[in-house]
Amino acid sequence: AAGVIQSPRHLIKEKRETATLKCYPIPRHDTVYWYQQGPGQDPQFLISFYEKMQSDKGSIPDRFSAQQFSDYHSELNMSSLELGDSALYFCASSRDRGPGTEAFFGQGTRLTVV
Amino acid sequence: GENVEQHPSTLSVQEGDSAVIKCTYSDSASNYFPWYKQELGKRPQLIIDIRSNVGEKKDQRIAVTLNKTAKHFSLHITETQPEDSAVYFCAASIEGHNNAGNMLTFGGGTRLMVKP
Repeated sequence: AAGVIQSPRHLIKEKRETATLKCYPIPRHDTVYWYQQGPGQDPQFLISFYEKMQSDKGSIPDRFSAQQFSDYHSELNMSSLELGDSALYFCASSRDRGPGTEAFFGQGTRLTVV
Repeated sequence: GENVEQHPSTLSVQEGDSAVIKCTYSDSASNYFPWYKQELGKRPQLIIDIRSNVGEKKDQRIAVTLNKTAKHFSLHITETQPEDSAVYFCAASIEGHNNAGNMLTFGGGTRLMVKP
């Protein structure tokens, strides 16, 4: 079965650089979530999109932005990177309505800022 | 917003014993409670979930109970095996119209170690 696809899997950037993370949800899933997980931490919700519109916003820094495109894939854009942005970034997708609204996670992108 | 507390933070059991992890939540509007298992450096994987219209759900060696009045839910793993060793996260969210509030608020995680 198709899963949530994230790219790249690993990314190394220098401080003050920008990064773009991509997420391709499970087919027919209309909702995408982004989470940030620091070492030894639980995943922290950043932002979500439903039908290409932002639906909820969590602890996403102003330096970050995201969008969901017409094909439902989503991109997380991160600018002015800081050392503290080093983390695993997970994308998850789900369906909004009906049975099976569980969120399934992608493999994650490990971002290292040096 | 929602706040989810999870205990214990670490749990060590002997193979074959049972393990119990407990979570409490603060938002009475939360109605969906999944549990995720995460191995080191890998994605969280859904192992079981429960919705607020039921009090208990079981899937082979795993069971989850929910007490809406007390706002707490628990994960029970019986006959633990070494491959059950991982970090387990509880979470809470609101399933509803137009996806508002559907994001997961996670507990702090429990590192389960099953000793052979």
